[in-house]
Amino acid sequence: DVKVTQSSRYLVKRTGEKVFLECVQDMDHENMFWYRQDPGLGLRLIYFSYDVKMKEKGDIPEGYSVSREKKERFSLILESASTNQTSMYLCASSLMGSQREKLFFGSGTQLSVL
Amino acid sequence: GNSVTQMEGPVTLSEEAFLTINCTYTATGYPSLFWYVQYPGEGLQLLLKATKADDKGSNKGFEATYRKETTSFHLEKGSVQVSDSAVYFCALSDRGGSEKLVFGKGTKLTVNP
Repeated sequence: DVKVTQSSRYLVKRTGEKVFLECVQDMDHENMFWYRQDPGLGLRLIYFSYDVKMKEKGDIPEGYSVSREKKERFSLILESASTNQTSMYLCASSLMGSQREKLFFGSGTQLSVL
Repeated sequence: GNSVTQMEGPVTLSEEAFLTINCTYTATGYPSLFWYVQYPGEGLQLLLKATKADDKGSNKGFEATYRKETTSFHLEKGSVQVSDSAVYFCALSDRGGSEKLVFGKGTKLTVNP
C-alpha cells in the first residue's frame, strides 16, 4: 500500500515563527501536493510539485513556500506563521499520467498558531 | 474556472437509510469526476470515479453517475451503516493536462445505530 507520512499529527507554534511541515511518500510518485482543510471551506490547494525541484502555485500560496529536494519528500514552509494559518494541513501524492487523479493522502497535521 | 458545489451538511441518518449527497460542477471541457471519503482521524481516500458522461462509478455499495446534461455527480447508497460515518468530498479533474483536483467543501455524514 502507498504510504504518505506527515511528520507531526499536532503542532503548536507562535506567531512569527518559521514552521516546517514535512511529508514523505514511499511509492515513487512524481506528483506531490499540499492542501489546507478548513471547516466550511473544504480543501484548498497551496502548492504542488510534479518533479524534484519543480513547484507550482495552487490557489492560496500566499504566506507559504515549498521545497522538493528529493522525489519522496515535499516540505511546506510557513515563513512567518500567523494566526490565520491555523488549520489542518494535508499532504498528498500521485503518479503521473492516467493515474494522476488518484491521490493518496497523509493523515494530516493540525497546526495551531498562537 | 472549474468548481464543485456539494450539498451542505451535516447529514444525519439512521442505519439502513438511503443516502444521497448532491454534487454539481462547473467545468470547461469534459472533466473526470470523483468522490473521496475522509474517515475520522484519517486522510482522504478515493471512493469512486467516472471519466465520461453516463459512466457509473461504484465501490463499497456507493454509486454515482456522471450526468453531463445536469452537470451532476450525486453520491448514493441504498443502506448506510454506522461505519459509513465520514466526510465526503466531490472533486473534478481538468483533463486538459492539469495535475490537480478541485474539491468541493465536503459533506459530513453521521449514521446512528
